[in-house]
Amino acid sequence: QVKLQESGPGLVKPSETLSLTCTVSGGSIRSYYWSWIRQSPGKALEWIGYIYYSATTNYNPSLKSRVTISLDTSKNQLFLNLTSVTAADTAVYYCAKNRNYLDWFDPWGPGTLVTVSS
Amino acid sequence: DIQMTQSPSTLSASVGDRVTITCRASQSISSWLAWYQQKAGKAPKVLIYKASSLHSGVPSRFSGSGSGTEFTLTISSLQPDDFATYYCQQYNSYSPTFGPGTKVDMK
Repeated sequence: QVKLQESGPGLVKPSETLSLTCTVSGGSIRSYYWSWIRQSPGKALEWIGYIYYSATTNYNPSLKSRVTISLDTSKNQLFLNLTSVTAADTAVYYCAKNRNYLDWFDPWGPGTLVTVSS
Repeated sequence: DIQMTQSPSTLSASVGDRVTITCRASQSISSWLAWYQQKAGKAPKVLIYKASSLHSGVPSRFSGSGSGTEFTLTISSLQPDDFATYYCQQYNSYSPTFGPGTKVDMK
């Protein structure tokens, strides 16, 4: 059974880059699509983007200019970089698996809270 | 982007009640809709995919219906474990989007 675990700094300064790692266990990252999704405090869910093991990516148009998703197949990890962050980027960040590029998400990691503050 | 709306935003109910949540899409998404349950401090869990298919391990009291732009999630007999927030998500477009959520709380 595939499990996902997010990790990274819980505090990032405004204008800096948010960097997170998602470690996949119980299955190979060389299958399926892998997404990042975030949820601002008390708010709804926002899909950030996905990556396929071939390194094909697709990003939310509202974040596309600031987002990069990459992966390391040897470590079974995917990564999220979000540049020029502001307080509006404060959120719980989740990684999740989707079987196809147009699909629902399952499973999800437990999420990691990132606060943008000086 | 395809915009998703949900109603109601909050629903107060009692154990044993039949509960219905509605999700609407700003344009037709065929049956490409999923429903999630989220409890406080936890990640969402998928309940329903393709509008009406029950995900493995999900109790049969949950059901989904609809197509095009209007969808419903029904809990036939609300259980104590079902008090949570429910989200719909469309995956018809290259940019999936979620509804704003419906919180089911105790009357």
